[in-house]
Parts: sequence; C-alpha cells; structure tokens
Amino acid sequence: DIQMTQSPSSVSASVGDRVTITCRASQGISRWLAWYQQKPGKAPKLLIYAASSLQSGVPSRFSGSGSGTDFTLTISSLQPEDFATYYCQQADSFPLTFGGGTKVEIK
Amino acid sequence: EVQLVESGGGLVKPGGSLKLSCAASGFTFSNAWMSWVRQAPGKGLEWVGRIKSETDGETTDYAAPVKGRFTISRDDSKNTLYLQMNSLKTEDTAVYYCATVARGSGWISLHYYYYYYMDVWGKGTTVTVSS
Repeated sequence: DIQMTQSPSSVSASVGDRVTITCRASQGISRWLAWYQQKPGKAPKLLIYAASSLQSGVPSRFSGSGSGTDFTLTISSLQPEDFATYYCQQADSFPLTFGGGTKVEIK
Repeated sequence: EVQLVESGGGLVKPGGSLKLSCAASGFTFSNAWMSWVRQAPGKGLEWVGRIKSETDGETTDYAAPVKGRFTISRDDSKNTLYLQMNSLKTEDTAVYYCATVARGSGWISLHYYYYYYMDVWGKGTTVTVSS
C-alpha cells in the first residue's frame, strides 16, 4: 500500500498569512493526489484533485502543486473560514490512502 | 441537489454485526462507483472500501483492517449503498461516511492512467463498538 505522510501535523497562523502544507508519498504517484478540508463535526470537502485542479466552487486562494512523491497545498491568504484540518489522499491506486492530516489553527 | 444520507449506526458489542445504509439522490447512482471512509474519534480519515458500478463489474476492494469482515453491496433499484460489518472490534468505532468515487484520466509519458478521489460525501453515521 502507498503510505502518505503530511507535515506539519499542525500549524498556527493568522488571517492573511500564506500557509503551505506538504504531503509525501512512499512511491511515485504522478499527479494523482487529492486534498480535502474538514471542519469539526463535518464531512470532508474536496478542494483539489490531480494535484493542482481546483474543485468547482473552491476559492482561488487554494492551490496545489507537485508530482511524483512530493506535493504541496498552499492557502495564499488565510481566511477565518479556512481554519480546519486538511488531508491529502493518493489517487493513484486502491487501496486509497490518506495522510495523517494538518490542523490549521488560529495564532 | 446531489445528496448522500447514511443511516444504521449505533452501539454494538464486540463480535457483533451492523449494517449501514447510504441513500443517494440527485445523480445517476447506478453509474457511480462508491466508497466508505471512516474516522475514529480524534483520528484521521481511513478508506474502508469501494464498489464499482454494475457496468464495471460491481467488484469490491477493501482496506486490510476490514477485509474478510466487512462487505460492501449496492441496490441500484433503491439508489442505496450498504456496508455489512461483522465480527466488529472496538477499533472499528468511528464515524462512517459514504462517498462517490470520481474517476479521472490523463496521459503521462505516453501511458494512459486513471485516478480516483471522493467528490461527494454524506454527513456520516456513528458506530460505537463497546461492551
């Protein structure tokens, strides 16, 4: 199975900050990576697929990049509604696997 | 509106069984690949398994921790997905989400690839395994 490792596990940031989260796959997965946002008590929400394609309705301050084994999710200017936990997921093959999550907290 | 609504969660003793349902609406359920994903209290997301559409063979795939104990099935006439859980363990305690599996494709170095992610999620149903 492909293992996904996210870092950091948590980050404290202020509104307006640029935030970057990284995700590493245990083997090459081309561009086949998705990112999700989850708020407490809610279901995950798809943000990005195929490493850099923005899901419909997702604000353009979210962007993704990377290929092979190393990927990043960037929030260009953090908004109050962005405080949440973010997960990467390898989309290359079954079983699908998630990273451990990165909690974005208010500084 | 595309919607998934899970039901059937509850409290069950270790070794017991439970069957979850996921009612789908707002899209052509019979064409969709579907997955179950779970989240233990205070933990991250864990993919449980997937079922393909009937036209793609309705085959299933499971994560190692549940293989042989959990069974995913579907009833396209009722637009409903199921998760039969047997021999439940305390570590199966989690919120269980159903989700549609979106499939994309693309060319990389003269090879054609498919990729898979979950684009629509239900709100989840809670399963507690405890004596």
